[in-house]
Amino acid sequence: KNEVEQSPQNLTAQEGEFITINCSYSVGISALHWLQQHPGGGIVSLFMLSSGKKKHGRLIATINIQEKHSSLHITASHPRDSAVYICAVRWPNTDKLIFGTGTRLQVFP
Amino acid sequence: DTEVTQTPKHLVMGMTNKKSLKCEQHMGHRAMYWYKQKAKKPPELMFVYSYEKLSINESVPSRFSPECPNSSLLNLHLHALQPEDSALYLCASSQAPQRDTQYFGPGTRLTVL
Repeated sequence: KNEVEQSPQNLTAQEGEFITINCSYSVGISALHWLQQHPGGGIVSLFMLSSGKKKHGRLIATINIQEKHSSLHITASHPRDSAVYICAVRWPNTDKLIFGTGTRLQVFP
Repeated sequence: DTEVTQTPKHLVMGMTNKKSLKCEQHMGHRAMYWYKQKAKKPPELMFVYSYEKLSINESVPSRFSPECPNSSLLNLHLHALQPEDSALYLCASSQAPQRDTQYFGPGTRLTVL
């Protein structure tokens, strides 16, 4: 069993749809990151969360520490949102990130 | 300047070659990271430098040799690589170890023939 699990693995949507990507982890963490990777490689950090909720533009990230679960929501999705979204967690007192396997999102016009 | 730069963008090398990957940041970050990423897989941590000292080596083969000459620069020296080492090599940095967002470079796509 992976220490960080994401669902779904693949997701297709029509432009304008509301999208949710989920991440679950197995033990207590100090922080959870949501990352975006476009084809070609570059990774962009979207959010770092240790509690509650954060919003940036059309993106919203939430975390429930008790349930060890986080969600990334995209409102009014657009084809340029097509990318792989990766959840990563940091265990306490470590520099190391543990990555989920990613969710491949395709948004069609 | 909020950018991590990596050179070269692409590298093709033979199994007997010696080459180096370079990573640079001018954000004053004191933690720097090397990751390896195979196609359709998440990044795998290779090394972490914290205040210019190697703090994590994830049991990486000795044919990969990291170097941190100063707080802005991180190198990865490659020697006698195998074809299975072909991958995207990503560098990242963060303001301090054990916390903060990691900023990733665009990566070097390495092909070993």
